[in-house]
Amino acid sequence: QQQVKQSPQSLIVQKGGISIINCAYENTAFDYFPWYQQFPGKGPALLIAIRPDVSEKKEGRFTISFNKSAKQFSLHIMDSQPGDSATYFCAASIIRNQFYFGTGTSLTVIP
Amino acid sequence: ETGVTQSPTHLIKTRGQQVTLRCSSQSGHNTVSWYQQALGQGPQFIFQYYREEENGRGNFPPRFSGLQFPNYSSELNVNALELDDSALYLCASSLEPSYGYTFGSGTRLTVV
Repeated sequence: QQQVKQSPQSLIVQKGGISIINCAYENTAFDYFPWYQQFPGKGPALLIAIRPDVSEKKEGRFTISFNKSAKQFSLHIMDSQPGDSATYFCAASIIRNQFYFGTGTSLTVIP
Repeated sequence: ETGVTQSPTHLIKTRGQQVTLRCSSQSGHNTVSWYQQALGQGPQFIFQYYREEENGRGNFPPRFSGLQFPNYSSELNVNALELDDSALYLCASSLEPSYGYTFGSGTRLTVV
């Protein structure tokens, strides 16, 4: 049973464009929603995170939009750069204990 | 530069064997979690240790076991290896369970 569903599986964006990755969850007890970036051969690195009492959080070019009623959240990468090419995972947890990860989105930014 | 180091980086084992993977957390990090990441998938929670006691376990059989030591290092042990155990094993450490986690680069285990 996949606790967090992520789409799309892969994404190709032109340099300077906007990358959008979506996630949906079922468990309303989740209280922490992070996004991780993973490069080949490396472990996931925390990119940005949000709590369900906030509808949007922005850090630099990265923005999380959160829709509590729809149980959905998304990552927007503005002005996408070739260096952003990586696999992105959404996740959800309760009190940051056990993380449930999505299946990942492979992002390719074309120069 | 991540503060969490894992060893070895790669490992090949035969089905039925036993393996021990090691993780060195950042100093002061009392919490360590282990995850299994199959190729093309997101990480799956194996278990978490807090102050040397198991603090939660995912849907993994008992042949997956762990230890956490006072020097902020930990181990993941897998007995009776199966082909499906082939994956990237990640450890992540944190000051406390409710704080942010730092992941290591993982150990790539191949079971043949």
